[in-house]
Amino acid sequence: QKEVEQDPGPLSVPEGAIVSLNCTYSNSAFQYFMWYRQYSRKGPELLMYTYSSGNKEDGRFTAQVDKSSKYISLFIRDSQPSDSATYLCAMSPGGSYIPTFGRGTSLIVHP
Amino acid sequence: DAGVTQSPTHLIKTRGQQVTLRCSPKSGHDTVSWYQQALGQGPQFIFQYYEEEERQRGNFPDRFSGHQFPNYSSELNVNALLLGDSALYLCASTPPGTSPLNTEAFFGQGTRLTVV
Repeated sequence: QKEVEQDPGPLSVPEGAIVSLNCTYSNSAFQYFMWYRQYSRKGPELLMYTYSSGNKEDGRFTAQVDKSSKYISLFIRDSQPSDSATYLCAMSPGGSYIPTFGRGTSLIVHP
Repeated sequence: DAGVTQSPTHLIKTRGQQVTLRCSPKSGHDTVSWYQQALGQGPQFIFQYYEEEERQRGNFPDRFSGHQFPNYSSELNVNALLLGDSALYLCASTPPGTSPLNTEAFFGQGTRLTVV
């Protein structure tokens, strides 16, 4: 079993839909949780990060962490075609700041 | 600001050969990390360089080695290439005093290595 599990998709939604992206993990030591967006032929770019459990909102994006269930989510409201990309979750334990990535979920937002 | 630049963009090598990939960090950044991203997978951490020394290393064999120069640029070397080394190799740089969340890390566009 991998430390971080993420459904590769693809997830296809119409423009304007609310998108839910999720990851599960097995390592209880993870304390820092991140979401990256990766466009085709580009490197990942950090979207959001949270520490421990809770919610964090940034514009159309909301990140949620449930440490009791070892489950994290990223919600995208009013999705746009420009949101079409691969979304990678990543997490790291305190003291070692090197992230462990999920395999990414491919999101397609069609007009 | 050019951001993180990697060269070459694409590379084809034969099994058993050696390869060197290069990375120039974003201006003002002093730490460089290298990742391997196989097709359909997330990036896997190879190692990190700071002050010209390897600071942390992931679960990769000794065939993978690196170097950091005084101007903070870095090289990744892979010896005795295997077909399984085919992947996108990403370089990420971070500035001095980065928070534990590595929130200021910038990735380059990567080098696509194909081993035949």
